[in-house]
Amino acid sequence: GAVVSQHPSWVICKSGTSVKIECRSLDFQATTMFWYRQFPKQSLMLMATSNEGSKATYEQGVEKDKFLINHASLTLSTLTVTSAHPEDSSFYICSARETGPKGYTFGSGTRLTVV
Amino acid sequence: AQSVTQLGSHVSVSEGALVLLRCNYSSSVPPYLFWYVQYPNQGLQLLLKYTTGATLVKGINGFEAEFKKSETSFHLTKPSAHMSDAAEYFCAVSGTAGNQFYFGTGTSLTVIP
Repeated sequence: GAVVSQHPSWVICKSGTSVKIECRSLDFQATTMFWYRQFPKQSLMLMATSNEGSKATYEQGVEKDKFLINHASLTLSTLTVTSAHPEDSSFYICSARETGPKGYTFGSGTRLTVV
Repeated sequence: AQSVTQLGSHVSVSEGALVLLRCNYSSSVPPYLFWYVQYPNQGLQLLLKYTTGATLVKGINGFEAEFKKSETSFHLTKPSAHMSDAAEYFCAVSGTAGNQFYFGTGTSLTVIP
């Protein structure tokens, strides 16, 4: 079945630094990938839709300059949290959509802690 | 526009008892409906999905869900709960175009020995 690999699974960084999270579709091509943020005990909130070869579409309230998304190939999307602050600490999850009604495959998530 | 409502943020059942997690949706187009399970500090795993065809959908780990258009519901059930079923469960909906994906707020399932 479809597999999405997300890396790293956890990261601790200092306030003010940037962190890059990778999302790869291992056995299929994903023209569209999605980035979610999940706070403890809450649901997943869609941050942005990443389209291969074009600019990402951000949800209302998400700072595009802070959360940089790059989808340079059909199998890789990256999310860079720039100038991270403690309030950016969260669980970030990506997903990719296969062609057709096959649903969405999710990565294993990245636990970001900013200290 | 689509949205999902999960009734009950916490559900507790005894081991061996019926599991029923409720999900209602609203959609202006024929929906695709999904149930995902999430274990602590992990991503989401697809349990089952409804796209077209048979309205009773069987998924992994003994779970099933029935799409009821008249009730705009897609409740998740399992006849007999197992301790390993304790997790967070999310219902989700997307349109047939699949351009966006909306999650419910999640239901935390506790299984009591």
